[in-house]
Amino acid sequence: AQKITQTQPGMFVQEKEAVTLDCTYDTSDPSYGLFWYKQPSSGEMIFLIYQGSYDQQNATEGRYSLNFQKARKSANLVISASQLGDSAMYFCAMREIVRTGANSKLTFGKGITLSVRP
Amino acid sequence: GAGVSQTPSNKVTEKGKYVELRCDPISGHTALYWYRQSLGQGPEFLIYFQGTGAADDSGLPNDRFFAVRPEGSVSTLKIQRTERGDSAVYLCASSAGLGTGELFFGEGSRLTVL
Repeated sequence: AQKITQTQPGMFVQEKEAVTLDCTYDTSDPSYGLFWYKQPSSGEMIFLIYQGSYDQQNATEGRYSLNFQKARKSANLVISASQLGDSAMYFCAMREIVRTGANSKLTFGKGITLSVRP
Repeated sequence: GAGVSQTPSNKVTEKGKYVELRCDPISGHTALYWYRQSLGQGPEFLIYFQGTGAADDSGLPNDRFFAVRPEGSVSTLKIQRTERGDSAVYLCASSAGLGTGELFFGEGSRLTVL
């Protein structure tokens, strides 16, 4: 079964506007972590933000925030005030903690391409 | 440097040859991961080490793929009898397992099998 689903084929946003990148996940574990990574054209994977399944508040890191809706199993990334340097691939990932341990693998989605227009 | 280092950055080989890819994790990180990424796809898990032992090798596609981490630091991914379908970017990541436990990735080794 697909664990992480990212179905948006590609997103475009005007510079300085906000954009939401969608992510849904599937797990039966009560304890899990959700991650977003950015991959620019240079190829390196850059960690952006983390949300734990028991966290009461949505995670925020600077211009990044995570719209976590546990009942819907969605963890959408919101980027505010988009910049040209935000153009990249964005990957959602999940770690299931209870069954596999706190330091186990991340399972990644297929990613979403974001293009920021000047 | 302080980040995850992978060598070589690019490797071109012929079908049937043997290849080794090396990963030097961040100092002190006990967990090390190998992923494979094909063009336009997300990273696909291969194997994960906790210390010297492979804690999860469920992602290795077949017995041509093997990885070691003999001293709990540097790891080598070994691919025997390479096939054209093995062409991809091989990403290594490490984690301290503290806090959020996020993975820190290297820049990858691009393997091309002709």
